[in-house]
Amino acid sequence: DQQVKQNSPSLSVQEGRISILNCDYTNSMFDYFLWYKKYPAEGPTFLISISSIKDKNEDGRFTVFLNKSAKHLSLHIVPSQPGDSAVYFCATNTGNQFYFGTGTSLTVIP
Amino acid sequence: EPEVTQTPSHQVTQMGQEVILRCVPISNHLYFYWYRQILGQKVEFLVSFYNNEISEKSEIFDDQFSVERPDGSNFTLKIRSTKLEDSAMYFCASRPGQIPYEQYFGPGTRLTVT
Repeated sequence: DQQVKQNSPSLSVQEGRISILNCDYTNSMFDYFLWYKKYPAEGPTFLISISSIKDKNEDGRFTVFLNKSAKHLSLHIVPSQPGDSAVYFCATNTGNQFYFGTGTSLTVIP
Repeated sequence: EPEVTQTPSHQVTQMGQEVILRCVPISNHLYFYWYRQILGQKVEFLVSFYNNEISEKSEIFDDQFSVERPDGSNFTLKIRSTKLEDSAMYFCASRPGQIPYEQYFGPGTRLTVT
């Protein structure tokens, strides 16, 4: 029941460059799309979200893009910093039920 | 800054035993959730709770699971008869209202069933 897929389990990027994390989904009825960051031994932390009626949302260094025709979501981090190294999960919902991807482990190399 | 807390941080139990995982959501939040993450796998939705009743639940949340908000501050997940495959990290989350949808997660309880 892979409602949300993150096909890249890991990504390494040089400090200062752009990190692009990708997510694909199956259900066009999803309401909102969210990105969470997770450090080891901690719970996920909300990063940024986008409504299904928009195609871009920006917050500081983080921008989320939504391509509804391709059912694709991406998170851009620019410039990437070493403190951004974490596992990133995309998530979405129908009503009050949420679906998470498998996560992409981002390593930002100083 | 208010945060979601969970106790215990680690629970070890024998197969067949009952466990209760406890959470204190952020005080003015209205929606509450339990998730689990089996080691190396994705975060899986278990149940959502609103207005003192279950709002939605996944197929994982069978009759062995129950949730309660007994006193207006705690939010508990009970597993009646634990199985080895219940070993996972269990996360509680809460959010303030309908929109926006971002949830605030607790640090998790690691449940080990032996």
